[in-house]
Amino acid sequence: GAVVSQHPSRVICKSGTSVKIECRSLDFQATTMFWYRQFPKQSLMLMATSNEGSKATYEQGVEKDKFLINHASLTLSTLTVTSAHPEDSSFYICSARNRQRIYNEQFFGPGTRLTVL
Amino acid sequence: GQSLEQPSEVTAVEGAIVQINCTYQTSGFYGLSWYQQHDGGAPTFLSYNALDGLEETGRFSSFLSRSDSYGYLLLQELQMKDSASYFCAVRGGTGGGADGLTFGKGTHLIIQP
Repeated sequence: GAVVSQHPSRVICKSGTSVKIECRSLDFQATTMFWYRQFPKQSLMLMATSNEGSKATYEQGVEKDKFLINHASLTLSTLTVTSAHPEDSSFYICSARNRQRIYNEQFFGPGTRLTVL
Repeated sequence: GQSLEQPSEVTAVEGAIVQINCTYQTSGFYGLSWYQQHDGGAPTFLSYNALDGLEETGRFSSFLSRSDSYGYLLLQELQMKDSASYFCAVRGGTGGGADGLTFGKGTHLIIQP
């Protein structure tokens, strides 16, 4: 199998606080994980590529200092939304690629719904 | 950069066949993927075409024409549980991360009894 988990599934925080979201590959090693953001009724937007043991690669328009990514092991990547504001409220989804499967197949976590008050 | 176009909404009847089209523009092409997403859920992988032609997986098939930068997802024997959003996707983003996916805006499939 190829299972990806995320924690927490839902978080509500006050404006100005930081929130950490964890993404884990449970039954395979993922040297690369991806973070996406999805606003209601919209598509998934790639935010960054998380590389184990090295710096993340961010998409154009995504603030590196606001969305901190750490990929400390082959099964865990974390996304920290720093100084969150209401406009950061969204559905954050991670995915991981299993090297033993076809290249374009990514396995998505269940997502984290962030609400910033 | 990458961009994909697909219809925003398609309506079909239970038991029927529906086709969801996708056209794309990419700076480098590594295949076209399709994902299904139910409301509030995570996207799940449906199919992938790297070469021209039809790939069949059960009730779902996917087609690719690289010369036309076009593909489609075909769903047969529609069931109510197929009501979901369907996204086509290509590999590559804007920031140099070559492995992440760029998704189309999604097609909301509505199935009527």
